[in-house]
Amino acid sequence: GAVVSQHPSWVICKSGTSVKIECRSLDFQATTMFWYRQFPKQSLMLMATSNEGSKATYEQGVEKDKFLINHASLTLSTLTVTSAHPEDSSFYICSAREPLAVAKNIQYFGAGTRLSVL
Amino acid sequence: KNQVEQSPQSLIILEGKNCTLQCNYTVSPFSNLRWYKQDTGRGPVSLTIMTFSENTKSNGRYTATLDADTKQSSLHITASQLSDSASYICVVALRTYKYIFGTGTRLKVLA
Repeated sequence: GAVVSQHPSWVICKSGTSVKIECRSLDFQATTMFWYRQFPKQSLMLMATSNEGSKATYEQGVEKDKFLINHASLTLSTLTVTSAHPEDSSFYICSAREPLAVAKNIQYFGAGTRLSVL
Repeated sequence: KNQVEQSPQSLIILEGKNCTLQCNYTVSPFSNLRWYKQDTGRGPVSLTIMTFSENTKSNGRYTATLDADTKQSSLHITASQLSDSASYICVVALRTYKYIFGTGTRLKVLA
């Protein structure tokens, strides 16, 4: 299957700083990428949909000014957590939809990034 | 409201035994149903994908079933191995791009 790379896999930062997480589709061009957040023992929750060349679409309750998403190329989307606070500590997972598989609605997931805000 | 419920929440079995995980959903408009395996601290990995018209799909020791009438699915794991210890997530894809995730079943396989 297609490969989605996410970096870093783990990051620790101080409260008030910003953290950038990268999501790359390695062997296909992804016009659409998704960002999820997962708290311990809970389901993945969709935060936003990232479309190449346009503004991201955020889910209800997700602050777009806090979680900045940039999808400047067909293989890279970034999520920046601005002014991070301890309550932002979570597991962030990205996924990418392969254009050829749009009809099947297939998303390939990255390995996730664990963010710990001190 | 679109919901995907899984049971049991957690399960402990001995290595070599079989087990079955359940998934009930109230999702519309339905596109397909998937089962994912998620190891701790990792992203989900797809096991099976079934469309509305498919009743069963196998992937090695994993066999998924789907009853679209009762809106139920199951994942059967045969001859469990220690490496099967993980969370298993039932996901229903809408005809739009969105996925609706279940809360998962945490499986622990003991030697």
